[in-house]
Amino acid sequence: SQKIEQNSEALNIQEGKTATLTCNYTNYSPAYLQWYRQDPGRGPVFLLLIRENEKEKRKERLKVTFDTTLKQSLFHITASQPADSATYLCALDVAPYYGNNRLAFGKGNQVVVIP
Amino acid sequence: DTEVTQTPKHLVMGMTNKKSLKCEQHMGHRAMYWYKQKAKKPPELMFVYSYEKLSINESVPSRFSPECPNSSLLNLHLHALQPEDSALYLCASSQAREAGYEQYFGPGTRLTVT
Repeated sequence: SQKIEQNSEALNIQEGKTATLTCNYTNYSPAYLQWYRQDPGRGPVFLLLIRENEKEKRKERLKVTFDTTLKQSLFHITASQPADSATYLCALDVAPYYGNNRLAFGKGNQVVVIP
Repeated sequence: DTEVTQTPKHLVMGMTNKKSLKCEQHMGHRAMYWYKQKAKKPPELMFVYSYEKLSINESVPSRFSPECPNSSLLNLHLHALQPEDSALYLCASSQAREAGYEQYFGPGTRLTVT
């Protein structure tokens, strides 16, 4: 069956350190992978999109890698700040060949940045 | 303006009520989506509209009825809901329905069915 796996345990990290989150997937071949941030009771906010032919993408303090061989994406927050505390969702475009922007989301990984 | 708005923010309804959720975007996006999200779970796709036509219905029960009156508006009509339908309902939009476009989400409507 198809799965998108993110660590269910919250990541507690000291302010200023780099937080690294993992997204593993099975039985998908996505052409795109996206990361979103979600705060409690709010809608997800788009952060980064990476294509299958891109190894790495950066935006300010965020970095995403995409390894289609390992079927894995890593999401890094460098110089983490308390304001980065949130749940981070990995999302795969699961129907790129059918013309539908259909995202399947992982359960999300909570990050808590400790001052 | 990169905002998707949703009304109401909170809704409590009985199982015999009829209510509607509303969503609006002014980004010129041609694809709009409804998602359902339960606590500690990921968003689950319900419906996709593309150019105001229903493109995807993820086998959603008929007590949920979507409507896209124009390219900026998306409604979700609710009737005879069950308590298990209580959830956060999210609207989203993207530039097009083709893959590779990010989605912009609204703040959601917190629905409680009593």
